[in-house]
Amino acid sequence: GENVEQHPSTLSVQEGDSAVIKCTYSDSASNYFPWYKQELGKRPQLIIDIRSNVGEKKDQRIAVTLNKTAKHFSLHITETQPEDSAVYFCAASKEVSSASKIIFGSGTRLSIRP
Amino acid sequence: EAQVTQNPRYLITVTGKKLTVTCSQNMNHEYMSWYRQDPGLGLRQIYYSMNVEVTDKGDVPEGYKVSRKEKRNFPLILESPSPNQTSLYFCASSPQGCGELFFGEGSRLTVL
Repeated sequence: GENVEQHPSTLSVQEGDSAVIKCTYSDSASNYFPWYKQELGKRPQLIIDIRSNVGEKKDQRIAVTLNKTAKHFSLHITETQPEDSAVYFCAASKEVSSASKIIFGSGTRLSIRP
Repeated sequence: EAQVTQNPRYLITVTGKKLTVTCSQNMNHEYMSWYRQDPGLGLRQIYYSMNVEVTDKGDVPEGYKVSRKEKRNFPLILESPSPNQTSLYFCASSPQGCGELFFGEGSRLTVL
C-alpha cells in the first residue's frame, strides 16, 4: 500500500525567512496531494493541494511542487510569520470513483522565531 | 453553519468499558472517515465509509468498529478499550472521498 514519508519532523525558522517541508510517496498511482495545517489544539485544515497533472501551485505565500518521476512533493512557505507556527501534514491519495484511502505523513512541527 | 461534530470531546475511561464516539456532519457528504493522531505518527486512518451501509478498514482498524446507517452519522465504537487506544481521534468528511477533508474538533480519549 501507499506510504508517505515527511521530513523534517521539526523545523525552526526566523520570521521572514522561508520554510520547506518535503514528502515522498511510494504508490506511483497516487494523483492527489493535499497539505493540512493544524494549529495547537485545533483540527487539521486544508491549506493547499495539488493534482498530478500540474507541477506547481501557488497561493499567496504558500506553494507546493510535485515531482512525479521522483515521487516527491514539497511545501514552500515564504516570508514566514508567527501565525505560520503549526504542525503541517502532507498526504497522498488516488482519486477514484470508488473507495479511497488518504495516507498522511507523520507531520512537521514548524516554529517561527521572532 | 457547515460542520463536523464529534462527541464527547474529552473522555477518561477504564479498560474494557465499551464506549462510542459519535460523529455527525451537516454537509450531505458521502465520504466519512475516522483517524487517530499520536505523536510522531501523524494521522492514521481507522475506518472509512464511501456511503450509507458501505464501510472499509483503514490502516489501524483493530479494536474498533463503525457503522453508517445514516448519511450524516458515522459513530466509532470501542467494544473493549485498552490503554493503547489512548489517543486523539478525528472524524472527517468530504463530498466524494476525494478533495478536501473537513475535520471535526477531535475527541481526546484516555483509557486507564
